[in-house]
Amino acid sequence: EAQVTQNPRYLITVTGKKLTVTCSQNMNHEYMSWYRQDPGLGLRQIYYSMNVEVTDKGDVPEGYKVSRKEKRNFPLILESPSPNQTSLYFCASSPTPRGGATGELFFGEGSRLTVL
Amino acid sequence: GENVEQHPSTLSVQEGDSAVIKCTYSDSASNYFPWYKQELGKRPQLIIDIRSNVGEKKDQRIAVTLNKTAKHFSLHITETQPEDSAVYFCAASAPGRRALTFGSGTRLQVQP
Repeated sequence: EAQVTQNPRYLITVTGKKLTVTCSQNMNHEYMSWYRQDPGLGLRQIYYSMNVEVTDKGDVPEGYKVSRKEKRNFPLILESPSPNQTSLYFCASSPTPRGGATGELFFGEGSRLTVL
Repeated sequence: GENVEQHPSTLSVQEGDSAVIKCTYSDSASNYFPWYKQELGKRPQLIIDIRSNVGEKKDQRIAVTLNKTAKHFSLHITETQPEDSAVYFCAASAPGRRALTFGSGTRLQVQP
């Protein structure tokens, strides 16, 4: 089954404790991206990657890191989480070179993160 | 950069009625306008999209209209059903951009 898989789905952590949210897709998509969803703000892009070893900042990259060492994986790293990073996070992939800018975005199930 | 505004933030309709959600965008160069539906606790999924070379697109009970002059586009759902209850996001993208800009979302509730 074609899918985007995120882990963990739910996480409660404390300020400053490094964490990684993994994302994996089995559709051989070159484009992958991370979004955060907050009430009243819609979906805002954090980082995206157009191919292996190619990553770039989205609209809200502060406090986050990413890496793209393999085509299928695109982990999101919070080096020192803070309470304002409490949010619902979605990983997405797309078969088109510019991601959802020209074609469908396929989202993961989401990861709900709480930072105390 | 692009800015997308979406209205209303919440919408409640009776089953069988029509629902309309409106979005405006700021970048006149934008040429791709998708709509995503997110059911409660689920992931967003693409339901319909339109490109700037057409003014309207239909898919069964769902239609999207685009007015490039006014820089707005709308989602129309006819004969609403309880399973249409969800949050709907509009989005826009201009040539050369590598990402969508999403609206803030509309929570649609269809009352049986």
